[in-house]
Amino acid sequence: AQSVAQPEDQVNVAEGNPLTVKCTYSVSGNPYLFWYVQYPNRGLQFLLKYITGDNLVKGSYGFEAEFNKSQTSFHLKKPSALVSDSALYFCAVRVSSGTYKYIFGTGTRLKVLA
Amino acid sequence: EAQVTQNPRYLITVTGKKLTVTCSQNMNHEYMSWYRQDPGLGLRQIYYSMNVEVTDKGDVPEGYKVSRKEKRNFPLILESPSPNQTSLYFCASSWKVQGVGETQYFGPGTRLLVL
Repeated sequence: AQSVAQPEDQVNVAEGNPLTVKCTYSVSGNPYLFWYVQYPNRGLQFLLKYITGDNLVKGSYGFEAEFNKSQTSFHLKKPSALVSDSALYFCAVRVSSGTYKYIFGTGTRLKVLA
Repeated sequence: EAQVTQNPRYLITVTGKKLTVTCSQNMNHEYMSWYRQDPGLGLRQIYYSMNVEVTDKGDVPEGYKVSRKEKRNFPLILESPSPNQTSLYFCASSWKVQGVGETQYFGPGTRLLVL
């Protein structure tokens, strides 16, 4: 079955420290992978995506993600966390190129402590 | 301003009373989709549309209907709402881009409570 897993419900990190939010996936074929962020009482905003090419993808607000095909992972990273990064983060995968069908993870709440 | 709008933003209703949540985008996007967000379950796709008059089921379509009669609008219809449809609903849209994954633009959400 096709799926996306975010194993951590919450990640706490001190301001200025590097952060990692984990995501693993299971889909057939080449995956299209995404990260979205949701701030309180807001809709989701796009952060970055991996389609093909360089395994390290850079996105908005200083975030980046590393695609690892052998480990079927797409972890979100940032070298230095800000308090304003505190939000709910979702990993998502497009199921196949012929559809607009997406699977989202359950979300990881990131809390950056001052 | 480029945006996806949803109405209403908040809705309290009773079991069995038909309701419609509207979604409209002004970006000329080909693709549109509805999701529901529930604690611990993340976002789950209800229905999506890749073109006018073309809709398809997502992972949780039971109890919902959609229509795509024009490009900009994609209403979500609950013919007979039940308490298990209490949720936060998001509409999203994208351009059709060949060969690459589409970035989805999300609406602000509609919080629905079914009593």
